[in-house]
Amino acid sequence: QLVESGGGLVQPGGSLRLSCEASGFIFKTYAMNWVRQAPGKGLEWISHISSSTNNIYYAESVKGRFTISRDNAKNSLYLQLNSLRAEDTAVYYCARDQFRGFDSWGQGTLVTVSS
Amino acid sequence: SYELTQPPSVSVSPGQTASISCSGSKLGDRYVSWYQQKSGQPPHLVIYQDMRRSSGIPERFSGSNSGNTATLSISGTQAVDEADYYCQAWDSSTVIFGGGTRLTVL
Repeated sequence: QLVESGGGLVQPGGSLRLSCEASGFIFKTYAMNWVRQAPGKGLEWISHISSSTNNIYYAESVKGRFTISRDNAKNSLYLQLNSLRAEDTAVYYCARDQFRGFDSWGQGTLVTVSS
Repeated sequence: SYELTQPPSVSVSPGQTASISCSGSKLGDRYVSWYQQKSGQPPHLVIYQDMRRSSGIPERFSGSNSGNTATLSISGTQAVDEADYYCQAWDSSTVIFGGGTRLTVL
């Protein structure tokens, strides 16, 4: 099970830190991802982190503004969102990486960027 | 940048076979996954590695991938299958999603 938290209303240029708490599986053995979905739009992959944090990737749209991290001791995944823009408004999902697909998703947390 | 193209909508009659395509350059050289998303819910993995069904997915769901096109097929389509469907593949160190296809069961 994956449970996201940390979303909310933030002004343009502001920051947020999203968390994803994992349970029911050996978190430290899985790569993880963040995926977002703007209201009424499709899925957009944001970032990937390998199980040991050796490999970290970002979508061009967030590179330099967002930072993914994880704490395997706490079974938790994080996404630091800085310099937020209106177009970052979306539901943010964490997703477990398995066989090049995402086999488990959280319910999502809504981030709204507005003044 | 790499792109995956899906038709915006597909309609099917109950009991018939629905086919949803996903096209991209040399897509057959990559693994494709498919996700089902119903209104107000997170996506759910349906197919991974082109043709493997995820746990709990009915046998009426199948996938294929060759050349430039991957296809999700749903045989004996039921009303419960009405949803948005997304294809996904990796391009080097990035993940690409198709734009999504809304499946309507008429």
